[in-house]
Amino acid sequence: AQTVTQSQPEMSVQEAETVTLSCTYDTSESDYYLFWYKQPPSRQMILVIRQEAYKQQNATENRFSVNFQKAAKSFSLKISDSQLGDAAMYFCAYKDFGNEKLTFGTGTRLTIIP
Amino acid sequence: DSGVTQTPKHLITATGQRVTLRCSPRSGDLSVYWYQQSLDQGLQFLIQYYNGEERAKGNILERFSAQQFPDLHSELNLSSLELGDSALYFCASSISRDGGNTIYFGEGSWLTVV
Repeated sequence: AQTVTQSQPEMSVQEAETVTLSCTYDTSESDYYLFWYKQPPSRQMILVIRQEAYKQQNATENRFSVNFQKAAKSFSLKISDSQLGDAAMYFCAYKDFGNEKLTFGTGTRLTIIP
Repeated sequence: DSGVTQTPKHLITATGQRVTLRCSPRSGDLSVYWYQQSLDQGLQFLIQYYNGEERAKGNILERFSAQQFPDLHSELNLSSLELGDSALYFCASSISRDGGNTIYFGEGSWLTVV
């Protein structure tokens, strides 16, 4: 079974600085998707960024970028120029091609220090 | 706003009772997913429907059932409720059968069983 591990339960960063959240996963599949979701205090799950495993280029969305290392099964999220609104729980998630289920990690709580 | 609508937002009910959670997917999305988020279990996939038919089943209890109607809205029925069923229940939707497109989450329905 696929597993997703987020080894940092909590992280903090100064406003305007850069922070990297770690995620590793275990799978025997070669084709899959990886996601980072943000869950602010409102508890809504908001998609931050997505990566297809067949793409070698790392995904970017404005201040958010990933470092996808397929051989190492690593998928870290970098947040640049951190803002107060970035404070949230961040979940890493995995999904096979053709499999409907998203498997989530346990989350990393990110605090932004003004 | 993800475009996925869930009602009710909050619900308090007694043990042994039955409740129905409702979800309207984003316009055009054919797949609906249900997830449960609890403190001890994290985010768990329950079930997926695609265009009215059950597509995949996860860790859904036998006391729980779901369906997707011709207008594509979905309902999650929870019966014989126990204290441990207290959780945030998310509905999510995507356009494709395999969820390869972006999966959008609603704001969730908070269920408290007392």
